[in-house]
Amino acid sequence: EVQLVESGGGLVQPGGSLRLSCAASGFTFSSYEMNWVRQAPGKGLEWVSYISSSGSTIYYADSVKGRFTISRDNAKNSLYLQMNSLRAEDTAVYYCARNSYDILTGYYGNYFDYWGQGTLVTVSS
Amino acid sequence: NFMLTQPHSVSESPGKTVTISCTRSSGSIASNYVQWYQQRPGSSPTTVIYEDNQRPSGVPDRFSGSIDSSSNSASLTISGLKTEDEADYYCQSYDSSNLYVFGTGTKVTVL
Repeated sequence: EVQLVESGGGLVQPGGSLRLSCAASGFTFSSYEMNWVRQAPGKGLEWVSYISSSGSTIYYADSVKGRFTISRDNAKNSLYLQMNSLRAEDTAVYYCARNSYDILTGYYGNYFDYWGQGTLVTVSS
Repeated sequence: NFMLTQPHSVSESPGKTVTISCTRSSGSIASNYVQWYQQRPGSSPTTVIYEDNQRPSGVPDRFSGSIDSSSNSASLTISGLKTEDEADYYCQSYDSSNLYVFGTGTKVTVL
């Protein structure tokens, strides 16, 4: 069974830092592209960052570029999001989400087939 | 960059059919696949339609997706509406510069 379990959320002051983790299990983590997606309270979904299966290709949303860093450790089956210079508008539930991938054909789909339960980040003084 | 606009809310009675639109602001809706996610209150999103009209295993065939190039929009149709279908629904597509774009979201209420 595919499982994605986020951790590391909490209350942080504006300008502070936080590191989120996502522990993956039930699939070959090193074969899959991964993402962070966030959802502010009562708002819609916003894609935050993408990392390729090897970690060699990374993308960020303009809203977090230069402040957030995505990374992964395939030996530990883990995904990370280092968040610096946090702002009130970064307050959200942060989800890790797996990109779809057909192991048999090698086809990567541009959508998310599994999501974690999310971890809440609150930026407030 | 483009945006995906959805109606804020739709409502219908059990057993009826609802259709949610997702209109792309620029560029062709057909240029990249559209996905639909269901998010029940307090839960994480799950995929109900991927690649315009494909259903993941386990998703009932009451859910269907389509695209319409004339209106530059995608649609999610839920037929035989059930109370368990009450949720927020988001469309999503891909953009080479902004990578993954989500729609504004639609709240489906089953009366």
